[in-house]
Amino acid sequence: DTGVSQDPRHKITKRGQNVTFRCDPISEHNRLYWYRQTLGQGPEFLTYFQNEAQLEKSRLLSDRFSAERPKGSFSTLEIQRTEQGDSAMYLCASSSGAANQPQHFGDGTRLSIL
Amino acid sequence: QQQVKQSPQSLIVQKGGISIINCAYENTAFDYFPWYQQFPGKGPALLIAIRPDVSEKKEGRFTISFNKSAKQFSLHIMDSQPGDSATYFCAASRGGNKLVFGAGTILRVKS
Repeated sequence: DTGVSQDPRHKITKRGQNVTFRCDPISEHNRLYWYRQTLGQGPEFLTYFQNEAQLEKSRLLSDRFSAERPKGSFSTLEIQRTEQGDSAMYLCASSSGAANQPQHFGDGTRLSIL
Repeated sequence: QQQVKQSPQSLIVQKGGISIINCAYENTAFDYFPWYQQFPGKGPALLIAIRPDVSEKKEGRFTISFNKSAKQFSLHIMDSQPGDSATYFCAASRGGNKLVFGAGTILRVKS
């Protein structure tokens, strides 16, 4: 059973650079979620997709953030002009989309801004 | 805004003891309450979940107790083991949508 896969696991970049993360959900799952987790805190919701449609975006998702899920399979999260405050763990989760089905998380991408 | 409040922030329990973590929520529209376990460098892993029409759910050594009128729920870990040392998060959602997480509890089980 292949779980949620995220790439890269770690990303170190200079302030002002653009970064892109990839998430491959569990194959039969049609819902895909992005969360952000800072040290000592619980994950915070960023956005989610039902198939290829982006259905909700958090106010945390500024104009510098964009997410896509072409063809309803993998998803990418891009951050443009990175800032120090973007340093965090970016987590992806997927679920089947049926009511109250569990969300399964990947191991995240840790972003460090120099 | 913090819609799910979790306590305590950290907890030390002797091996074989009972670990108890509490959460309180504000939004009465929440209808799904999972608990996640997270080890350093890993993503959260689902432990157990409950719906508000049930007052208690048990899976192995893990039990959720749910008090709908008080808007509170708790995780009990029986016979706690050193391997249970991790960070635990409660969460809540409405209609299977986005999860709202508590701030987490760092559990250390002393052998």
